[in-house]
Amino acid sequence: AQSVAQPEDQVNVAEGNPLTVKCTYSVSGNPYLFWYVQYPNRGLQFLLKYITGDNLVKGSYGFEAEFNKSQTSFHLKKPSALVSDSALYFCAVVSWGKLQFGAGTQVVVTP
Amino acid sequence: NAGVTQTPKFQVLKTGQSMTLQCAQDMNHNSMYWYRQDPGMGLRLIYYSASEGTTDKGEVPNGYNVSRLNKREFSLRLESAAPSQTSVYFCASSEMGGQNTEAFFGQGTRLTVV
Repeated sequence: AQSVAQPEDQVNVAEGNPLTVKCTYSVSGNPYLFWYVQYPNRGLQFLLKYITGDNLVKGSYGFEAEFNKSQTSFHLKKPSALVSDSALYFCAVVSWGKLQFGAGTQVVVTP
Repeated sequence: NAGVTQTPKFQVLKTGQSMTLQCAQDMNHNSMYWYRQDPGMGLRLIYYSASEGTTDKGEVPNGYNVSRLNKREFSLRLESAAPSQTSVYFCASSEMGGQNTEAFFGQGTRLTVV
C-alpha cells in the first residue's frame, strides 16, 4: 500500500531563515508526489509536483522540493521563509488513481 | 472560475439524521474525491471516482455513500450520522486520476454531529 509520512507535527522558523518540511514515501512503482498548503479555514492549494525528470522541482511562492529516490524522500524547501508562509503543509502521493495525504506539518514563521 | 463548489459550508446534525453533501466542479475533470480532515490525522480519503459512472472506496468509507451523478457532480451521503463523523469534509477534482495533474479543492464543509 502506498503512503506518505511527515515526521514533524510542527516546524518553527524565524523569518528570513531557510525552511524545510520533511516527507518520506512508500509506494510500489514510480511515485507521483505532491505538496499542498492549507491556510486557516480554506481548502488545500497545490504547490508543486514530481512526476519524472529533474529531482529538484520548483513550485509556487518560491518553494521547491527535492526528490531523493534512494532515501524515498520528497522534502519541501524555501531558502528564505516569510511570516505569510505560516500554514499547514501536506505531502501527497498518487498511486492507482488514489490521491493520499500525509498527516500534515504546521509551519510557524516568527518575525 | 468557480472551480470546486461545495455545499453547505456548515451543518449541525443530530445523531441518526441523514444528509447529503454536494460537490460540483466546472473544470471538466474526470476524477473526483471526498476527504475528511481531522486534527492530527491529515486528510483521509473516503471515496473517489476515477470517471463518470465509477466509484471506489478509500481509507475510511464506512458510514458513507457516494453518487457520481454526472461528470460535474459527486455527492457524499451520511445515512445515519454519528458523532464520530464530526469533521471537515473536502471535495476535490483532478484531470486524469491525479497522476500527473494537481487536484483542486473546495472550501470545505464543517459538519458537527451532536
